[in-house]
Amino acid sequence: EAAVTQSPRNKVAVTGGKVTLSCNQTNNHNNMYWYRQDTGHGLRLIHYSYGAGSTEKGDIPDGYKASRPSQENFSLILELATPSQTSVYFCASGDAGVDSDYTFGSGTRLLVI
Amino acid sequence: QQQVRQSPQSLTVWEGETAILNCSYEDSTFNYFPWYQQFPGEGPALLISIRSVSDKKEDGRFTIFFNKREKKLSLHITDSQPGDSATYFCAASDTGNYKYVFGAGTRLKVIA
Repeated sequence: EAAVTQSPRNKVAVTGGKVTLSCNQTNNHNNMYWYRQDTGHGLRLIHYSYGAGSTEKGDIPDGYKASRPSQENFSLILELATPSQTSVYFCASGDAGVDSDYTFGSGTRLLVI
Repeated sequence: QQQVRQSPQSLTVWEGETAILNCSYEDSTFNYFPWYQQFPGEGPALLISIRSVSDKKEDGRFTIFFNKREKKLSLHITDSQPGDSATYFCAASDTGNYKYVFGAGTRLKVIA
């Protein structure tokens, strides 16, 4: 069954530390996305990718980097984690066609202390 | 700037009632509107979607009503069930843009 798998499910990080969130998809979708979800803000786009080797900035990219080494994998990197980055992070994949819908992972809950 | 707005933030209905969730948008180039359903501890999942050439889309107990002139749409859930209790997100995109803009969501609670 096609799916989007995120790891870890939960993460506690210290301020100033480096955090890497991983995402793997078996949908063979070209596009992948990283969102964060916060109460009152819904889902906000951090970075996205149109294919292996490409990354694009979303609406709130500051403090985050992304890496797409292959069609299946898309990582979100927090080089210097801050408490304001405490959130739930969702990865999604989507086809390159018009009106393509997203398949979301189950999320990573990140706490930065 | 919030391009997609949802109301109310939260909604409680009794089992069997019709829940109405509202969504409005600003960008007139938006032409595709999916609704996602999210249960606690899970990622959002596509529920139903509509293109701007249509004014209504129905799928079982879920119906989208779309008003292009007013840039508004609504999701009606008839005969609401406790299992419908979830957060519902309205999203929007335009042709060729594979990025969705999401609203802040409506948290629905259905009481038995």
